[in-house]
Amino acid sequence: DIVLTQSPVSLPVTPGEPASISCRSSQSLLHSNGNNYVDWYVQKPGKSPQFLIYLTSNRAPGVPDRFSGSGSGTDFTLKISRVEAEDVGVYYCMQAVQTPNTFGQGTWLEIK
Amino acid sequence: EVELVESGGGLVQPGGSLRLSCAASGFTFNRYWMSWIRQAPGTGLEWVANIKEDGSEKYYVDSVKGRFTISRDNAKNSLYLQMNGLRLEDTSLYYCVRSQAADYKYDLWGRGTQVTVSS
Repeated sequence: DIVLTQSPVSLPVTPGEPASISCRSSQSLLHSNGNNYVDWYVQKPGKSPQFLIYLTSNRAPGVPDRFSGSGSGTDFTLKISRVEAEDVGVYYCMQAVQTPNTFGQGTWLEIK
Repeated sequence: EVELVESGGGLVQPGGSLRLSCAASGFTFNRYWMSWIRQAPGTGLEWVANIKEDGSEKYYVDSVKGRFTISRDNAKNSLYLQMNGLRLEDTSLYYCVRSQAADYKYDLWGRGTQVTVSS
């Protein structure tokens, strides 16, 4: 199975400041169709995961444009341009280029 | 309201069985792939199984193959997970999840149902 490694494990951020989460894969996530099959999800405290980003860089409906995704091959990044208090939670990357889907171990974003 | 509501979890001994159910409402259930994704206590997410819109294709993570069976009843807007031969490591919160594509774009999650395997 493909292993996804996220860094950092914990990310304290001051409101209004940017944040960046890395997701590195043990194998390329580039499909022959040219898409990199990476999703991002956030699990806010006490809640179910929420859909943020698909195919590396496409925001899900309703996701603020301060969230952006990038990357290709084995290295991917989720960026938040200006962190807000409501962004607290655990962020997960997920790959879908190969079955089974696998998730990163998560990055806990906390507000300083 | 668009939602997924899981039920059927509980405490079971190793080797036992449980059947999880997921009731879908507020959307056209038979137009979506559906999945079960689980989360062990204090840990991350693990995809378990998924099923095509018409039930003709099913996929499983290796650790549950031969023990778990995913199914759906589109007439009842329901998804199921039959779990046999349960192991301690199956202890998790099980989420019912809708996807916009076969195995990504998981856009709607239930609140989960807890399965605890313990002697």
